[in-house]
Amino acid sequence: GAGVSQSPRYKVTKRGQDVALRCDPISGHVSLYWYRQALGQGPEFLTYFNYEAQQDKSGLPNDRFSAERPEGSISTLTIQRTEQRDSAMYRCASSLISRQRRQETQYFGPGTRLLVL
Amino acid sequence: GEDVEQSLFLSVREGDSSVINCTYTDSSSTYLYWYKQEPGAGLQLLTYIFSNMDMKQDQRLTVLLNKKDKHLSLRIADTQTGDSAIYFCAEGSGQGGKLIFGQGTELSVKP
Repeated sequence: GAGVSQSPRYKVTKRGQDVALRCDPISGHVSLYWYRQALGQGPEFLTYFNYEAQQDKSGLPNDRFSAERPEGSISTLTIQRTEQRDSAMYRCASSLISRQRRQETQYFGPGTRLLVL
Repeated sequence: GEDVEQSLFLSVREGDSSVINCTYTDSSSTYLYWYKQEPGAGLQLLTYIFSNMDMKQDQRLTVLLNKKDKHLSLRIADTQTGDSAIYFCAEGSGQGGKLIFGQGTELSVKP
C-alpha cells in the first residue's frame, strides 16, 4: 500500500523566494505532522493537524512558516521569504486516531530536502 | 523542559550485540519509541514501549526502560551489516501530538 509521500523530494531556491512543500498522508489517516530535521540532528516538531484543524503550531519558528490542510488530506507547508537557515530536511508523518486511544504510530514520509542559496 | 539525549556513534562487529542508549527528561511521556533512518528513506518505526513496562522483546530487538532514571536502551542481537543506520529514540503521549526526538545514534556494523 502507499505510504506517506512528499513532493518535491529536493528543492533548491534562492534566498527571499517562497517555497511550498507538499505532503500526501496515508489514506484514511486523520492526523498529519510536520517536522524539520537539520543535518546531524533528530526531527523537530513544527505543527500538526487533526482532519483540517491545526491542533498545535507551537513548533513553527516564526511567522514566515505556515501550514494548511484545507480538506483534511493533503497538506502544504509554506515558507515565505526563505533564508539560508531554513535549509533542512522537512518531514511529514501521518497517523490514525484509534477509538480505543491506543498507541498511534506516526508513519513518516521520505522528506523534502530544502536548500536555500 | 523536554529533552532527549543519545550518544552519537556506535561501532560493532557483525554478529555482536549492539546497545544504543537514550535518556529523556519528560516524566509524563507515555510512550517511548525507537525509529531507524536509512539514507534516502523516511524514518521507520522499529518498536515502542509503554511507560509502565520495564522490557519489551521483539525478535532481535530488546527494549529496556528504567523509568526512575529516565533511561531507555535498544539492544540488537546478532547485529548485521543491514542494521547500519541512524537510530532515534523519541518520547510522546502516544495519542496524537508531537514526538520529541533525540539527535540520533549512528550505528556502523563492520564485517
